[in-house]
Formats: sequence, structure tokens, C-alpha cells
Amino acid sequence: GENVEQHPSTLSVQEGDSAVIKCTYSDSASNYFPWYKQELGKRPQLIIDIRSNVGEKKDQRIAVTLNKTAKHFSLHITETQPEDSAVYFCAVYNYGQNFVFGPGTRLSVLP
Amino acid sequence: NAGVMQNPRHLVRRRGQEARLRCSPMKGHSHVYWYRQLPEEGLKFMVYLQKENIIDESGMPKERFSAEFPKEGPSILRIQQVVRGDSAAYFCASSPQIEEKLFFGSGTQLSVL
Repeated sequence: GENVEQHPSTLSVQEGDSAVIKCTYSDSASNYFPWYKQELGKRPQLIIDIRSNVGEKKDQRIAVTLNKTAKHFSLHITETQPEDSAVYFCAVYNYGQNFVFGPGTRLSVLP
Repeated sequence: NAGVMQNPRHLVRRRGQEARLRCSPMKGHSHVYWYRQLPEEGLKFMVYLQKENIIDESGMPKERFSAEFPKEGPSILRIQQVVRGDSAAYFCASSPQIEEKLFFGSGTQLSVL
């Protein structure tokens, strides 16, 4: 089955700095790659996603890049703010079956 | 659109009792996924259902756990004879079709005494 890894597991940045989280996967047939943000005690919420026919997608301060050959994709958050503090999960769609989530990255943005 | 609705938000059961968790997907969504989350941990896949069909139950223990998504009504995750290790947050998510973004419910926090 699909194996999804995420690095780093924890990340602390100063407010205003950038944060990058990397996700690697094993199944080369996967074509859809979303990122979710989960604040403490709340539901995971989709923040950005990318499909395999594009290499990069951007939405204001958030961007995702995909390297399908190397089987990894990364979340980039620029000009971080305290409200960006949360756990971030990458996910990979295991075609016809289910979404497999990475173990999560705890991001702390220090004021 | 009311979003994905899960109830109850909190459920307390004693060991050996049954737990029934309900999930109403977003309007127009026919794909439902159940995930389990322990504190400080990730989302562990349990089961994927479409209307009246279980598509993938590879993440669900074969004993005591069952799931359904009937033609009418919510999806149900049922845990029989609960044990302390079943205590966790159970999230349901829905999507309009395969390989599409998931929308999560608020989760059910199950506590087994």
C-alpha cells in the first residue's frame, strides 16, 4: 500500500519567516495531493491541493510544489503569522481506495 | 450547505457497551471516509464507503467494528463491546467523487471508561 512520510515532524519559525514542509510517497500512480491544516481540537481543513499535471500552485501566502518523478511534494508558507500555528497533514490519494495521510508536522510561529 | 455533520460530538461508554457514530455527508456527496485520530497523532484510515457499498475497509479491525452507508440516512460507524483502547477522535469526511477534496466533520470524541 501507499506509504506517506512527512518532514520535519515539528517546525518552529519566527513570525514573518517562511516555512517548508516536505511529503514523500511511494505509489507512482498517485495523482492528487492535498494539504490539510488542523488546529487544536478542530477538524482538518483543506488549505491547498495539487494534481499531477501541474508542478506548482499558489494561493496567496501558501504554495505547493510537486516533483512527480522524485515522488515528493512540499508545502510553502511565506510571511508566517501566529494563526498559522497548527498541525499540517499531507495526503495522497490511493486510487480507487482511500486517502493516506502523512503523520503530520506541528508548526509553531513565534511572535 | 450545512457541511459534514457528525453526532454525537462526545460519547462516553463503559467497557463492553456499543458505540454508534453517525455521519451525514455534505449534500451531493456520495463518498464517505472514516478516520481515527489519537491525541498528538495522525489520521488513520478506517473505511471508505459509497452509497450502500463498502469500497475499502482495509483499515478497520475485522472484529467489533462495522460501517454502513445506506441508501437513505447517515453513515454509521459501529463499535461493539468497546474497550479502553477504542478511546479516540473519529472523523468522518465526504467528497463528491473519487480523487476529490475531502471535507471533514467536527469529529466524535469517544471515551471508554
